[in-house]
Amino acid sequence: AQKVTQAQTEISVVEKEDVTLDCVYETRDTTYYLFWYKQPPSGELVFLIRRNSFDEQNEISGRYSWNFQKSTSSFNFTITASQVVDSAVYFCALSEKNYGGSQGNLIFGKGTKLSVKP
Amino acid sequence: DTGVSQDPRHKITKRGQNVTFRCDPISEHNRLYWYRQTLGQGPEFLTYFQNEAQLEKSRLLSDRFSAERPKGSFSTLEIQRTEQGDSAMYLCASSTWQGNMNTEAFFGQGTRLTVV
Repeated sequence: AQKVTQAQTEISVVEKEDVTLDCVYETRDTTYYLFWYKQPPSGELVFLIRRNSFDEQNEISGRYSWNFQKSTSSFNFTITASQVVDSAVYFCALSEKNYGGSQGNLIFGKGTKLSVKP
Repeated sequence: DTGVSQDPRHKITKRGQNVTFRCDPISEHNRLYWYRQTLGQGPEFLTYFQNEAQLEKSRLLSDRFSAERPKGSFSTLEIQRTEQGDSAMYLCASSTWQGNMNTEAFFGQGTRLTVV
């Protein structure tokens, strides 16, 4: 069965601290995609990154970085030098079969609420 | 604004009433998704369309729920005989399916439904 687990329900840090959000997934497919979305208080889910199962190279985008490890079925997200504007709920998600085929839907974790205090 | 647009943003209705939500996807996107999100949970898939065809429905989509995308552009989600358990945020997303690949999904701001 497909499943995404975000064990951290809430995290609170002080501005400029680094913070890592954990994501563990389960799938029986060899081809799948992993995603991170940010949901600020306004409610709109903002796409951050997509990785396919064949690309384990870590990625860095500004203060954001992602660590994908198939051996542990994890896709963790690190924010370096956090800012107040990073406060939001962050969701990890999984999609199987070339993110299409007979299914196009995303399976989301329950999210991690990040609070960055000044 | 060229993003995904949802209307209304908020809806309060009495139990037993019917409600309808609208979603306008990004214009060049041929796939449209509906999700439901309750407090403290991640979004849960309800259904999706490719152009005007409804390709998949989740078991969450009871027979009181119906979705349409008649011309392959905007979509509506109707809930009949609403129940308090239907209170949630209803999210719409769109993406493009090209060849054998799907682009990432872009989400609207959602419609928050409260059934009293």
